[in-house]
Amino acid sequence: QSVLTQPPSASGTPGQTVTISCSGSSSNIGSNPVNWYQQVPGTAPKLLIYSTTHRPSGVPDRFSGSKSGTSASLAISGLQSEDEADYYCAAKDDDLNGVVFGGGTKLTVL
Amino acid sequence: QLRESGPGLVKPSETLSVTCTVSGGSISSYYWSWIRQPPGKGLEWIGYVYYSGTTNYNPSLKSRVGISVDTSQNRISLTLTSVTATDTAIYYCARHFSGGISSYDYWGQGALVTVAS
Repeated sequence: QSVLTQPPSASGTPGQTVTISCSGSSSNIGSNPVNWYQQVPGTAPKLLIYSTTHRPSGVPDRFSGSKSGTSASLAISGLQSEDEADYYCAAKDDDLNGVVFGGGTKLTVL
Repeated sequence: QLRESGPGLVKPSETLSVTCTVSGGSISSYYWSWIRQPPGKGLEWIGYVYYSGTTNYNPSLKSRVGISVDTSQNRISLTLTSVTATDTAIYYCARHFSGGISSYDYWGQGALVTVAS
C-alpha cells in the first residue's frame, strides 16, 4: 500500500487531455513539492515535473503539474501515442523523514 | 552517466551489494539515492547519501541497509543484509535534482537482483 494514492490506470485518445491525480496528506504533498516521473516499460524512470510545476529541459509543455492542498495532478494535453507509459508521483514525507512514491498510473493511449 | 552493477542472484539471508559508477561528472556536491522496483510493481525509495557521507534511510529498511560513497572512484554503494524474496527488485541509483529530496534527474539503467536459493 503506497503512501501516495494514484489511480491504477488512465486512458485517452490522441489529442485529448488526460489528468492523473496523486493524493497524500499534510506530511507529504501538503507541505512539500511534488515530482512526477514517466516510465516506459523496460526503462528507468524519467523526471517529468519537478517542484510541483516545473518542467526539466527537453520535456514538452504538453505536460504540466499542479497541487491543491494534499493532492497533486499531472495533466497531459494533446495526448500522443508515445505518452503511453507508467506515471509516478513522489514527495518528501516529513513524518517518515524520507521519500514516498505513488503506486503508479498506467496510461493507455487508445 | 550512471551504471549499476550487482550480483544478479543472492541467496536468502545473505547480503546484497550493488555499486553505482558515475561517469562524465563528479559525485561531489550532489545527493545520491537508491530506489528499487520489484518486478511489475511500483517504486520504493531505499535511502540517500551526500558526497560528504551523510546518509538517510527508509525507516522500513533502516536496520538492514547501508549506503556509502567513494569520491575517489566516483562510486556509490548499497548493501542490504538478511535478504528475502521480497527484496527481489531492479535497483536504481539516481542523482538528486532541485525540487527536494524526491527529485532525481539522472538515473542508472538499473540492476536486477533476484533473491533465491
